[in-house]
Amino acid sequence: GENVEQHPSTLSVQEGDSAVIKCTYSDSASNYFPWYKQELGKRPQLIIDIRSNVGEKKDQRIAVTLNKTAKHFSLHITETQPEDSAVYFCAASLNSGGSNYKLTFGKGTLLTVNP
Amino acid sequence: NAGVMQNPRHLVRRRGQEARLRCSPMKGHSHVYWYRQLPEEGLKFMVYLQKENIIDESGMPKERFSAEFPKEGPSILRIQQVVRGDSAAYFCASSPLRTGRAGTDTQYFGPGTRLTVL
Repeated sequence: GENVEQHPSTLSVQEGDSAVIKCTYSDSASNYFPWYKQELGKRPQLIIDIRSNVGEKKDQRIAVTLNKTAKHFSLHITETQPEDSAVYFCAASLNSGGSNYKLTFGKGTLLTVNP
Repeated sequence: NAGVMQNPRHLVRRRGQEARLRCSPMKGHSHVYWYRQLPEEGLKFMVYLQKENIIDESGMPKERFSAEFPKEGPSILRIQQVVRGDSAAYFCASSPLRTGRAGTDTQYFGPGTRLTVL
């Protein structure tokens, strides 16, 4: 089955700096890669996703890049703010029966943005 | 549009008791997924259900665990004879999932049920 590795497990940055979280996946057939943000005690919330037919996607201060050859994808957060502090999870899934329903998650990165 | 609802939010059971976790998907969503999150771990897929059908239960333990999504009412994840190792947060997600339509398999998560087994 699919295996997703996520690094680093913890990341501390100063407000205004950029943060980068990296994930690798094992199954070259995976083609959907969402990122979720989970605040303490809260539900995971989708912040951005990318499909394998594109290499990069941006949404304001958040961007995700995908390298299919190397089987890795990264989350980039620019101009970080204290409210960006949370655990971030990457996930990968491959298309099964026409849909990407079976998400395999990384173990998460605890991001702390210091004021 | 109300999000995915789960109840109870917290559940305490003694070893050997049964735990019933409920999930109501977002309005218009007919596909439900259950995940388990152990402390300091990522979410692990357990089961995918459509109304009255289990589509994929490959992530669910073969014994003591069962799931259903009846025609009417919420999806239920049932754990019989709970053990301490079942203590975790259980998240439900839903999607509209119209096969072939991009983006319709995006999963929206509920707030989770935190199960503690004493």
